[in-house]
Amino acid sequence: GENVEQHPSTLSVQEGDSAVIKCTYSDSASNYFPWYKQELGKRPQLIIDIRSNVGEKKDQRIAVTLNKTAKHFSLHITETQPEDSAVYFCAASARNEKLTFGTGTRLTIIP
Amino acid sequence: ETGVTQTPRHLVMGMTNKKSLKCEQHLGHNAMYWYKQSAKKPLELMFVYNFKEQTENNSVPSRFSPECPNSSHLFLHLHTLQPEDSALYLCASSQDIQPNIYGYTFGSGTRLTVV
Repeated sequence: GENVEQHPSTLSVQEGDSAVIKCTYSDSASNYFPWYKQELGKRPQLIIDIRSNVGEKKDQRIAVTLNKTAKHFSLHITETQPEDSAVYFCAASARNEKLTFGTGTRLTIIP
Repeated sequence: ETGVTQTPRHLVMGMTNKKSLKCEQHLGHNAMYWYKQSAKKPLELMFVYNFKEQTENNSVPSRFSPECPNSSHLFLHLHTLQPEDSALYLCASSQDIQPNIYGYTFGSGTRLTVV
């Protein structure tokens, strides 16, 4: 089955700086890669996703990149703000398969 | 509310008690999931249901017993739990097993404490 590894497990950045979280996956058939954000005491929520026919996708301050050859994808957050502090989960799935989640990254934005 | 409702929000139970967690979705989704979230394993998949049929049991101890009477409702029956079962239990749903552009929708979870 699919195996998703996520790094780093914790990340602290100064407000205004950029944050990057990286994930690798094992199943070359995986074609859907979402990212979820879970704020303290709240449910995980989808913030951005990318499919294997696209190399990069942006939505305001967040972007996701995908390298199918190397089987890794990354979340980039620019101009970080205090409200970006949360746990972020990457995930991957192949056609007709459930999502496999990474182990999460706790991002702390230092004011 | 995102469309997935879990009750109760908090539950304290003794090791000899029997209780049930409830998850309800009115999104017209066909797949539902139970996850356990703890400090050790942030998102640990427990069970998967697709069109009311269990398609995956991720080696979950028998003291956790899921039930899916229809595509909108999912239960997790608990009995003779251990203190290490204390965690946040999250329910999620998706249109199909492989999520479409809307991904998984999670409930707010039940915070379970076993004493």
